[in-house]
Amino acid sequence: DTAVSQTPKYLVTQMGNDKSIKCEQNLGHDTMYWYKQDSKKFLKIMFSYNNKELIINETVPNRFSPKSPDKAHLNLHINSLELGDSAVYFCASSQVVGRFNYGYTFGSGTRLTVV
Amino acid sequence: GENVEQHPSTLSVQEGDSAVIKCTYSDSASNYFPWYKQELGKRPQLIIDIRSNVGEKKDQRIAVTLNKTAKHFSLHITETQPEDSAVYFCAASETGAGSYQLTFGKGTKLSVIP
Repeated sequence: DTAVSQTPKYLVTQMGNDKSIKCEQNLGHDTMYWYKQDSKKFLKIMFSYNNKELIINETVPNRFSPKSPDKAHLNLHINSLELGDSAVYFCASSQVVGRFNYGYTFGSGTRLTVV
Repeated sequence: GENVEQHPSTLSVQEGDSAVIKCTYSDSASNYFPWYKQELGKRPQLIIDIRSNVGEKKDQRIAVTLNKTAKHFSLHITETQPEDSAVYFCAASETGAGSYQLTFGKGTKLSVIP
């Protein structure tokens, strides 16, 4: 059983297209996240959702939009793709108990290539 | 927001030697400090973590120390093996005011030379 699963694993698409990446977790966690890892391996937070509410939205272009139909899913929609969007996108989930974060777990990543 | 600095960016050690990676954080409210290992083409995986109420934690060849006053924490790997070669990330998290994210350092590429 994969704890945090993402699909697709690879995505090659042309500039200007719209695409989605799906993420599901079966850990019962209440918070999910999207990270972008660029070519220099830097992991940067894009969004996080806690109990279906967006609680963090960093300086991400509004072409990126997270969608959470329930607390086990957090999908990422990207409109009008640009070359600079090429990266590996990681979904993650955790359980927040009191003041502490528990079990922060990453999905296997989606390598997005925009041509 | 939180800012995490990580050093060095690359580290080469001989097999059997020790490796130390250091991180500093900016937000004194941060209370959770995990370390992740990422092998080429794979996801970051948690290897050890420490919370703000603990100063040191050890798990076999891996240990982490935390100095809350100085706002820095370190990863120590002893008796390194070739399979320890990977990119290591430190991170810090503070929960409160609607913030739960992990903020990552920029990573250290560790190479263990046989």
